[in-house]
Amino acid sequence: ILNVEQSPQSLHVQEGDSTNFTCSFPSSNFYALHWYRWETAKSPEALFVMTLNGDEKKKGRISATLNTKEGYSYLYIKGSQPEDSATYLCAFKHAGNMLTFGGGTRLMVKP
Amino acid sequence: KAGVTQTPRYLIKTRGQQVTLSCSPISGHRSVSWYQQTPGQGLQFLFEYFSETQRNKGNFPGRFSGRQFSNSRSEMNVSTLELGDSALYLCASRLADFHEQYFGPGTRLTVT
Repeated sequence: ILNVEQSPQSLHVQEGDSTNFTCSFPSSNFYALHWYRWETAKSPEALFVMTLNGDEKKKGRISATLNTKEGYSYLYIKGSQPEDSATYLCAFKHAGNMLTFGGGTRLMVKP
Repeated sequence: KAGVTQTPRYLIKTRGQQVTLSCSPISGHRSVSWYQQTPGQGLQFLFEYFSETQRNKGNFPGRFSGRQFSNSRSEMNVSTLELGDSALYLCASRLADFHEQYFGPGTRLTVT
């Protein structure tokens, strides 16, 4: 059973704050690491697919880094806005193309 | 381009019954994956189909099965329903390996 851990489980920040979350995954048999944003009453939305050690991806105010050797990825949100409130999920893709999801980090941004 | 669609959106069944859920992927996507989401277990992988072949299966009992048709539409079947099968079932499609997955809105199944 693969262990994909996300921390923190939940986070409350003020509008304008910058924040970051962690995703830890097995460092062996790495294929890819996915990040998703899941807003209440909507479908999960893909943010990034990261495949190479040292990868850095950016989409607007959201960016992510990847360290496959030590088995972690960080997701950063710069200048959080209320519309960023959602659950952020990471998923580790290993041999056989299966995706194992972490438990998610629930972000709440107060105006 | 139409997104991933799932039918039905909501379903109530009783224990012992069986259920079939349907997923239509984005046009051109040949990979369809199914996931179960429960409050206690989070999002768990059920299986993935690619070009009508099951490529991977998660750690679920044999009561959970699926198939994919030549037009890439997929169905998931759960037989002999149990109370613990109550969950949100999501399907997702993608164009190819290492591409983003696009999720459907899900089917909320309640077993009473």
